[in-house]
Amino acid sequence: AQSVTQLGSHVSVSEGALVLLRCNYSSSVPPYLFWYVQYPNQGLQLLLKYTTGATLVKGINGFEAEFKKSETSFHLTKPSAHMSDAAEYFCAVSRGSNDYKLSFGAGTTVTVRA
Amino acid sequence: DAGVIQSPRHEVTEMGQEVTLRCKPISGHDYLFWYRQTMMRGLELLIYFNNNVPIDDSGMPEDRFSAKMPNASFSTLKIQPSEPRDSAVYFCASSLRTGVNSPLHFGNGTRLTVT
Repeated sequence: AQSVTQLGSHVSVSEGALVLLRCNYSSSVPPYLFWYVQYPNQGLQLLLKYTTGATLVKGINGFEAEFKKSETSFHLTKPSAHMSDAAEYFCAVSRGSNDYKLSFGAGTTVTVRA
Repeated sequence: DAGVIQSPRHEVTEMGQEVTLRCKPISGHDYLFWYRQTMMRGLELLIYFNNNVPIDDSGMPEDRFSAKMPNASFSTLKIQPSEPRDSAVYFCASSLRTGVNSPLHFGNGTRLTVT
């Protein structure tokens, strides 16, 4: 079975500071990993995904994530936080390339201080 | 492209009443998913359809829940009778095809409150 664990349900950062959201996965097969963002009163939007190939994945809005198999991690980062980054972020894992039955983490809420 | 459209945005009902949530997927998308989001359980996949046919309903919590997709542009999730523990945000999502190269497009959700 596949699952993800997000460390920290809430992260507060200053505007311009580094954003780091942690995600560790458990998977019996090579994982396909995703980060989604949910703005208030909206549905989830895909930020980025890792399938195969390059382990450093770049997404929208300046976010990137690195797949580290040895650490079973897929942490999300952004060098400089913006007020518009305030949202909830979800890490997710898929059990196969042709399967979209995603398992989502519990989510991490990001607040950005001016 | 209007995106995935869900209605209503908010629904407040009394325990025992029937609730119907509606979803219009993005035109041309072959897959439709219903998710439920709660504080306690996070995001859970309830059911998904391929070409209007239910493929996996193992996430549907009880027989009180049912979902239909009578055509490619419309789906409903029905709860009958509703209970307070059904209070959650229900999301519909669609994708062009299944697989990691076809991202999910979520609607804005229906916030259901059962009193």
